[in-house]
Amino acid sequence: DIQMTQSPASLSASLGETVTIECRASEDIYSNLAWYQQKPGNSPQLLIYDANSLADGVPSRFSGSGSGTQYSLKINSLQSEDVASYFCQQYNNYPFTFGSGTKLEIK
Amino acid sequence: EVQLVETGGGLVQPGKSLKLTCATSGFTFSNAWMDWVRQSPEKQLEWVAQIKDKSNNYATYYAESVKGRFTISRDDSKSSVYLQMNSLKEEDTAIYYCTYYGSYWGQGVMVTVSS
Repeated sequence: DIQMTQSPASLSASLGETVTIECRASEDIYSNLAWYQQKPGNSPQLLIYDANSLADGVPSRFSGSGSGTQYSLKINSLQSEDVASYFCQQYNNYPFTFGSGTKLEIK
Repeated sequence: EVQLVETGGGLVQPGKSLKLTCATSGFTFSNAWMDWVRQSPEKQLEWVAQIKDKSNNYATYYAESVKGRFTISRDDSKSSVYLQMNSLKEEDTAIYYCTYYGSYWGQGVMVTVSS
């Protein structure tokens, strides 16, 4: 199985800051990577697919990048509504696997 | 509007069975590949299973942790996908979501396995 190592586990940042979350795959996943946001009590919501494509309705302050085994999610101009947990997921190989998540809080 | 609604969760004893249903609307279900994903009480997400469409022979795929115990199936006439869970273990306790290409998710259904 492909292991997804996500960091950091938690993150505290100020409003307006830029934050970056990273995921490292145990082998090349050829950009078959998604990022999800999950707010407390809600289902996950797709933010990014194919490593860098913005899902419908997602604000442009979210962006994804990376290739091979290294990927990142960047949030520009952090806003209060961005408080959530974020997860990466590879869908290059079965079984699909998720990162362990990053909990983002406002400082 | 795309909708996915999971039902069938509940409290069940270890070793017993449960069948989850995900009823969908708002998209062409017969062409869709559908997944089940679960979230543990520790909030970790785990992909559980996928079923492809008729043109892909309804191929199915499973996480190792559920292979041989869980079965994913679908009924295109009812726009529904199912998860039959047998020989349940306490570690299967989770919220179970069905999802359409990761873009749309149901609200989830709680499954608790406990004696």
